[in-house]
Amino acid sequence: DQQVKQNSPSLSVQEGRISILNCDYTNSMFDYFLWYKKYPAEGPTFLISISSIKDKNEDGRFTVFLNKSAKHLSLHIVPSQPGDSAVYFCAAMPKDSGGGADGLTFGKGTHLIIQP
Amino acid sequence: NAGVTQTPKFRILKIGQSMTLQCTQDMNHNYMYWYRQDPGMGLKLIYYSVGAGITDKGEVPNGYNVSRSTTEDFPLRLELAAPSQTSVYFCASSTTGFRFPYEQYFGPGTRLTVT
Repeated sequence: DQQVKQNSPSLSVQEGRISILNCDYTNSMFDYFLWYKKYPAEGPTFLISISSIKDKNEDGRFTVFLNKSAKHLSLHIVPSQPGDSAVYFCAAMPKDSGGGADGLTFGKGTHLIIQP
Repeated sequence: NAGVTQTPKFRILKIGQSMTLQCTQDMNHNYMYWYRQDPGMGLKLIYYSVGAGITDKGEVPNGYNVSRSTTEDFPLRLELAAPSQTSVYFCASSTTGFRFPYEQYFGPGTRLTVT
């Protein structure tokens, strides 16, 4: 039972264009969402997050949009650069989490490839 | 600034062998975590700790044990390795645990193969 779904295993985008990575969730108790970026042979690094009380959060070239009614969020990268080639994980946290099985729930990741 | 360090980077174990994966953080974070990532899957929480001397189970704790004697160290112990434990293991730490802002800092991972 996958509560956080990233349905595109990979995405190829030309350098300079917009990259849009999608994430869907099923648990209506999720209250906070994070995106992590992972390079090969390294651990994930935090990229950007959004609370359920917002519908948009922007940080430089990265913007996350949240559509609560559709249980959908997306990460936009504009413009895409070669260094953005990595695996991107969507993660979610329920409200008032006590930890354990209620900790961060990760999607399977999307491998973003930026073509020169 | 080392952040979260993990040793070893790679390890091959035979079925039934034991080993300890080491994790150390130098950010004085109270919260530490162990995750595993199977091929093509997301990260799953094995165990976590909210401070020295306090640990608790995550989503997939079976076959593992942890201890937290200091703020810096959070070793993960596999007692009887099984092929199902072949995975990449990530250690992470955070300041606020399961409260806002939730951001966790990850180590580079240990790739474990059990044959």
